[in-house]
Amino acid sequence: DQQVKQNSPSLSVQEGRISILNCDYTNSMFDYFLWYKKYPAEGPTFLISISSIKDKNEDGRFTVFLNKSAKHLSLHIVPSQPGDSAVYFCAASAMEYGNKLVFGAGTILRVKS
Amino acid sequence: NAGVMQNPRHLVRRRGQEARLRCSPMKGHSHVYWYRQLPEEGLKFMVYLQKENIIDESGMPKERFSAEFPKEGPSILRIQQVVRGDSAAYFCASSPSDRTGGTDTQYFGPGTRLTVL
Repeated sequence: DQQVKQNSPSLSVQEGRISILNCDYTNSMFDYFLWYKKYPAEGPTFLISISSIKDKNEDGRFTVFLNKSAKHLSLHIVPSQPGDSAVYFCAASAMEYGNKLVFGAGTILRVKS
Repeated sequence: NAGVMQNPRHLVRRRGQEARLRCSPMKGHSHVYWYRQLPEEGLKFMVYLQKENIIDESGMPKERFSAEFPKEGPSILRIQQVVRGDSAAYFCASSPSDRTGGTDTQYFGPGTRLTVL
């Protein structure tokens, strides 16, 4: 039962353009969402998060949008850089379930120079 | 600026042996989580610990797996009598507080890659 889904296994974007990574969830109890970036043979690195009381959070080139009615969130990276090439994981948690994170399967982003 | 430390980074075991994975949380963090990533999959929650307490072990296999976070020293994930299906990357994360304190961003270590021959 995949509660967090990243339906695009991979995405290819030209350097300088916008990268949009999508994530859908099924559990309406989720109230906190995070994006992590992962390079091969390394651990996930925290990028940005959003609470369910907000619909947007911005940090530099990274913006996360949350649409609760659609149970959908997205990560926008503008402008994309070759160093952004990595696997991006969406994760969610719910106060009801304590601290555990539920991860999507990840999206491989390739930024071409 | 020490982050989450995990060792060893790579561990090779033969079937039937024991694997011990260690995790030291970030300074000031008292909450530790273990996740497992199988090839081509996302991370799956295994267990959540605070010092000397297992808070949530709902993701742990019922047999052969155990975890502890003693008063002194690192957290240990122990896998007894390993099988080939245990081959995976095991990640530890830590956070400074629980959800009652608000946000609970978890910061991950570099992982231990376990290979069972």
